[in-house]
Amino acid sequence: QKEVEQDPGPLSVPEGAIVSLNCTYSNSAFQYFMWYRQYSRKGPELLMYTYSSGNKEDGRFTAQVDKSSKYISLFIRDSQPSDSATYLCAMSEYRDKLIFGTGTRLQVFP
Amino acid sequence: GAVVSQHPSWVICKSGTSVKIECRSLDFQATTMFWYRQFPKQSLMLMATSNEGSKATYEQGVEKDKFLINHASLTLSTLTVTSAHPEDSSFYICSAKPPSASYEQYFGPGTRLTVT
Repeated sequence: QKEVEQDPGPLSVPEGAIVSLNCTYSNSAFQYFMWYRQYSRKGPELLMYTYSSGNKEDGRFTAQVDKSSKYISLFIRDSQPSDSATYLCAMSEYRDKLIFGTGTRLQVFP
Repeated sequence: GAVVSQHPSWVICKSGTSVKIECRSLDFQATTMFWYRQFPKQSLMLMATSNEGSKATYEQGVEKDKFLINHASLTLSTLTVTSAHPEDSSFYICSAKPPSASYEQYFGPGTRLTVT
C-alpha cells in the first residue's frame, strides 16, 4: 500500500464548476499537509498548507484535513480554464521530507 | 516570490556518460536543498536532502555513488548522474528552503534527462 493515494484522473469539468480533489494516506504521524499545482514540464507550486486537522481558505481554494479518516481535500470554486493543471497533495511528519501523491490531472473547459 | 532555477532544462546523453544538473536559488539563500525524481504518471520521489557545507542525506534505495550531490554554496546545489543508463531517464526536480521558512520549499522547473 502506498503511503499516499491520489486518483490520477483526468478530471474534466466545465468552467465555473466546483472541483473536489482528494487524497488518502496511511501514516497517522503525518501532520503537515500541502497542495501543489504543477503545470506540464514545470516544477510544483505551493497552493495551500495546513497543519494538523481543520480547514483553510484562500480565495477560491479551500483545503480540508480530516486526520481521523486520514483524508484531505482541496476544493476549487468557480473553476477557470487557467486552473487546468496537475494537483499534487503532499504531506510530512517533520516538515522537510514531503511524501507526494501521484497527482490528479484537472481539465477545465470553457 | 522566491525563484529557483535549474540548468539544463533538458539533456540527452549516451549510456555510460555522466550528467551534471545545477539548481540555483536566485533571490534567497538556501541552507537546505532537496532533489526529487519524477517518472511519468508517478509521484515525486525524494532522492536526497543536502545542507550547505555538509554531505547529502540519501533516501533508502538511492545510490549515493551514482547520484552525487554537492551543495557548495548557499545558492547552488548540483546533482551529477554518473555512468547514466536508460533507466535513469526521468524528470529531476530540485527544491530549496530558505532559513526562515518553517515548511515551504520552492521548486525549480525541473530537468528532463534522456539516456540513450
